[in-house]
Amino acid sequence: EDQVTQSPEALRLQEGESSSLNCSYTVSGLRGLFWYRQDPGKGPEFLFTLYSAGEEKEKERLKATLTKKESFLHITAPKPEDSATYLCAVQAAGGSYIPTFGRGTSLIVHP
Amino acid sequence: DAGVTQSPTHLIKTRGQQVTLRCSPKSGHDTVSWYQQALGQGPQFIFQYYEEEERQRGNFPDRFSGHQFPNYSSELNVNALLLGDSALYLCASSPGGRGNTIYFGEGSWLTVV
Repeated sequence: EDQVTQSPEALRLQEGESSSLNCSYTVSGLRGLFWYRQDPGKGPEFLFTLYSAGEEKEKERLKATLTKKESFLHITAPKPEDSATYLCAVQAAGGSYIPTFGRGTSLIVHP
Repeated sequence: DAGVTQSPTHLIKTRGQQVTLRCSPKSGHDTVSWYQQALGQGPQFIFQYYEEEERQRGNFPDRFSGHQFPNYSSELNVNALLLGDSALYLCASSPGGRGNTIYFGEGSWLTVV
């Protein structure tokens, strides 16, 4: 069974204090790994898809990286508007292709 | 370009009642998936519709059913509501074929009292 574990569950940062969120996964062959941002009471907003180890993608202050066992979402010099829950999901190759989600990391950035 | 739209945004139902939630996929998408998200949890897959048929189903009871229309829009029906059905129900769409990135709507908040 595919498993996704995100850590930490919650993270508080000061504005400008860079950090990383972790997504560890167990899947029988990875087809894709997805990162989403979710604001309170809203649907998840797509950020990145990563397909192979060593791949990196960037968007503004966010950079996602992928290894064979985990992915990191690096946040550089965060701002209060980056406060949200960040969700990771994995999609197994050769299976149903339905993504399995982690429970998310709740990020709060203080001004 | 309109994204995924869902209705209603909020609703309150009584135990034992039935509810229908609606979803219009993103333009150009023909596959619709439904997820349930409880507070503090990640989205849990309910089922996926493609070409008006249920293609895949998650671990949810038969009280949860759905439909996809020829214009690709979809409905989620839940019968005999339980208190534990209170959650954010998310619709997600993707372009044809398996394994593509899914895009979510804003969700429908269901409270069962």
